[in-house]
Amino acid sequence: KAGVTQTPRYLIKTRGQQVTLSCSPISGHRSVSWYQQTPGQGLQFLFEYFSETQRNKGNFPGRFSGRQFSNSRSEMNVSTLELGDSALYLCASSLGGGMRLDYNEQFFGPGTRLTVL
Amino acid sequence: GENVEQHPSTLSVQEGDSAVIKCTYSDSASNYFPWYKQELGKGPQLIIDIRSNVGEKKDQRIAVTLNKTAKHFSLHITETQPEDSAVYFCAASNTGNQFYFGTGTSLTVIP
Repeated sequence: KAGVTQTPRYLIKTRGQQVTLSCSPISGHRSVSWYQQTPGQGLQFLFEYFSETQRNKGNFPGRFSGRQFSNSRSEMNVSTLELGDSALYLCASSLGGGMRLDYNEQFFGPGTRLTVL
Repeated sequence: GENVEQHPSTLSVQEGDSAVIKCTYSDSASNYFPWYKQELGKGPQLIIDIRSNVGEKKDQRIAVTLNKTAKHFSLHITETQPEDSAVYFCAASNTGNQFYFGTGTSLTVIP
């Protein structure tokens, strides 16, 4: 079974631009979560999509948005990029949580390294 | 919201020794506690997890213990090997599927 894939793997943008990152979950997984990873802040939760609906949201400004398609693929968009947005953006997929242990297991992709100049 | 604290931030051990990483959480509603290993240039990899109705779980050289009353859980790696060198993250989650991560422990195994 293929793992979580993210594209592109590396991205360089300038301040003020916008960017769209893509994530394809493991086949059968309906939940996709996005995280920002930086050396100083660790893994920060952005949002989670389940069956095309945003189910959970972290404490990030509205410049960060996402969506999920009917095939569970997800995109994340960052508008008006700032220098501080430079980070590794990770997505993770799962069956969707709940009481069953295997429904909680979350698997990460390799990440997209975004550099804002 | 949930707050997960992880200690130590760095850990060096001799090959063959044991390593222990500890995490505490604040929300009693958290009921799922995974551990991830992240190697350089890669995404975090799930290595072991535990639910709140279990006190201990073991998988070969790694084990996780959970103390619900004290709200802390620990990762134990025995007979460490150089390939165990990586950054390890703990996390806490509830049935709502929102995960909260610790700040990571950089483990170095010295040959």
